Amino acid sequence: ELKVEQNPLFLSMQEGKNYTIYCNYSTTSDRLYWYRQDPGKSLESLFVLLSNGAVKQEGRLMASLDTKARLSTLHITAAVHDLSATYFCAVEKSGTYKYIFGTGTRLKVLA
Amino acid sequence: DVKVTQSSRYLVKRTGEKVFLECVQDMDHENMFWYRQDPGLGLRLIYFSYDVKMKEKGDIPEGYSVSREKKERFSLILESASTNQTSMYLCASLVDEKLFFGSGTQLSVL
Repeated sequence: ELKVEQNPLFLSMQEGKNYTIYCNYSTTSDRLYWYRQDPGKSLESLFVLLSNGAVKQEGRLMASLDTKARLSTLHITAAVHDLSATYFCAVEKSGTYKYIFGTGTRLKVLA
Repeated sequence: DVKVTQSSRYLVKRTGEKVFLECVQDMDHENMFWYRQDPGLGLRLIYFSYDVKMKEKGDIPEGYSVSREKKERFSLILESASTNQTSMYLCASLVDEKLFFGSGTQLSVL
């Protein structure tokens, strides 16, 4: 069974600081996704990582994928309040179209 | 722009009622999904469909069924609603390796 674990589950950080969210998954997959969810809203796609060593960056967020370690990271650089949201990673169970989500990391950036 | 529309934002139903949650996408996508979201549990896959009349069980299909008679519409059915099915239900459509989500239906079963 494919399991996806994120840590930390909650993160409170000061503006201007850096931090990393981790996503581990239990079985082989070459596709990993990051989503953002604002309170009361639906999920919005941030990054799609499709191969080992893939790195994507958008603004203050950078995501990377290590398929051998079954690990993805979402790095936040110089956090700002607008980044406060819940972040989910998701993994496709290879060849099945089953997308399994982690439990989410609730990020709060304090001014 | 991809549009995934869920017909109701909030629903209140009684235990034992039959409940239909509707999801429509406007881009002829093949793959559609139903998830439920609960605090501390993230999103859990209920069912998905890869074509008309085709469906696959997700991780928590018990108590649910689905219908896909037309490509653009994927319905989630609660045959006999129970209080433990109170949750946020999210529909999604797969486009170019990304899942696009509807705005969600918050279902309360009393």
